[in-house]
Amino acid sequence: KQEVTQIPAALSVPEGENLVLNCSFTDSAIYNLQWFRQDPGKGLTSLLLIQSSQREQTSGRLNASLDKSSGRSTLYIAASQPGDSATYLCAVRMGDSSYKLIFGSGTRLLVRP
Amino acid sequence: DADVTQTPRNRITKTGKRIMLECSQTKGHDRMYWYRQDPGLGLRLIYYSFDVKDINKGEISDGYSVSRQAQAKFSLSLESAIPNQTALYFCATGTGWADTQYFGPGTRLTVL
Repeated sequence: KQEVTQIPAALSVPEGENLVLNCSFTDSAIYNLQWFRQDPGKGLTSLLLIQSSQREQTSGRLNASLDKSSGRSTLYIAASQPGDSATYLCAVRMGDSSYKLIFGSGTRLLVRP
Repeated sequence: DADVTQTPRNRITKTGKRIMLECSQTKGHDRMYWYRQDPGLGLRLIYYSFDVKDINKGEISDGYSVSRQAQAKFSLSLESAIPNQTALYFCATGTGWADTQYFGPGTRLTVL
């Protein structure tokens, strides 16, 4: 059974710092991996999606990497801003036809001005 | 207007009551999902639907039922609510071979 873990559960950094969020998964037979952002009182917003054949994806100040063989993904946020404060969730889709996402429990990020 | 809407946004009910949570989408996506989020546990899949005639159980379907009334509407019912169903419920739609998922704003349900 696939298990997705995110460490740390919470992170507080000063504005301007570069930071890395971690996601690990136990079964490497994934189809893709997504990083989401969740703001209080709002739904999830997809940030980046990495296919199993890809190593990384970039969008603005965000860079996500995937190492399928070791069961790890990282989300790198450059020059963090207070507006980046949110909970970040990773989710994997397995290589079957179910389209089901398996989520980690998230990292709650606070960027201090 | 939001692409994925959920009603109600907040609901407080009592044990044993029947509750329906509704989800509507204007994205034209065939795939729709219901998830539940509990503190510290991430999101878990309750039910999913690939089209109006295709409904499947997810990881935690016990105590829940769903109805796909149309391509744009997917409802989640709790036949007899119990306190451990207190959670944040999300509806999502999916599209494409990569199945990028788009989430609604969530419904906060409290069962007393």
